[in-house]
Amino acid sequence: KQEVTQIPAALSVPEGENLVLNCSFTDSAIYNLQWFRQDPGKGLTSLLLIQSSQREQTSGRLNASLDKSSGRSTLYIAASQPGDSATYLCAVRDSSASKIIFGSGTRLSIRP
Amino acid sequence: DAGVTQSPTHLIKTRGQQVTLRCSPKSGHDTVSWYQQALGQGPQFIFQYYEEEERQRGNFPDRFSGHQFPNYSSELNVNALLLGDSALYLCASSEQPGSETQYFGPGTRLLVL
Repeated sequence: KQEVTQIPAALSVPEGENLVLNCSFTDSAIYNLQWFRQDPGKGLTSLLLIQSSQREQTSGRLNASLDKSSGRSTLYIAASQPGDSATYLCAVRDSSASKIIFGSGTRLSIRP
Repeated sequence: DAGVTQSPTHLIKTRGQQVTLRCSPKSGHDTVSWYQQALGQGPQFIFQYYEEEERQRGNFPDRFSGHQFPNYSSELNVNALLLGDSALYLCASSEQPGSETQYFGPGTRLLVL
């Protein structure tokens, strides 16, 4: 059974710092991995999607990496801003491309 | 394009009652998935509807049921509500069942007292 874990559960850093959010999964037979952002009480916004054959994806100040063999992904945020404050969720789609399994998220707070 | 819309935004029910939540998919999307997100947790997959049929189901009891209409909109019904059903219920739509990209609605916050 696939399990997705995100550490830390919460993180607070001063504005301008570079930071890394971690995601691990127990079954390496994944179809893809996706990082989402969720603002309080709101739905999810997709940030980056990495196919199982890819190693990383970049969008602006965000870079996500994937190491399938070790069951790990990281989301790197450069030059953090207060507007980056949100919960970041990692999700893996199983190898049959059917279900999506989410982690519990990392609640990120960027201090001005 | 209105994106994915859900109604109502908030709902309060008591134990044992029944509730119906509604979702309208993004224009051009024919597949709707429902998720339950408890406070402080990630969303958990409930089920997916395509061509007015339930195509996949997560680990949820039969108290959770759904429906998809010819216009692709969908309902989630929960019977015999329990306190533990209190959560944010998210709807996501996609162009087809296996599509990599899902667009999420803002959710319905359900509180069961």
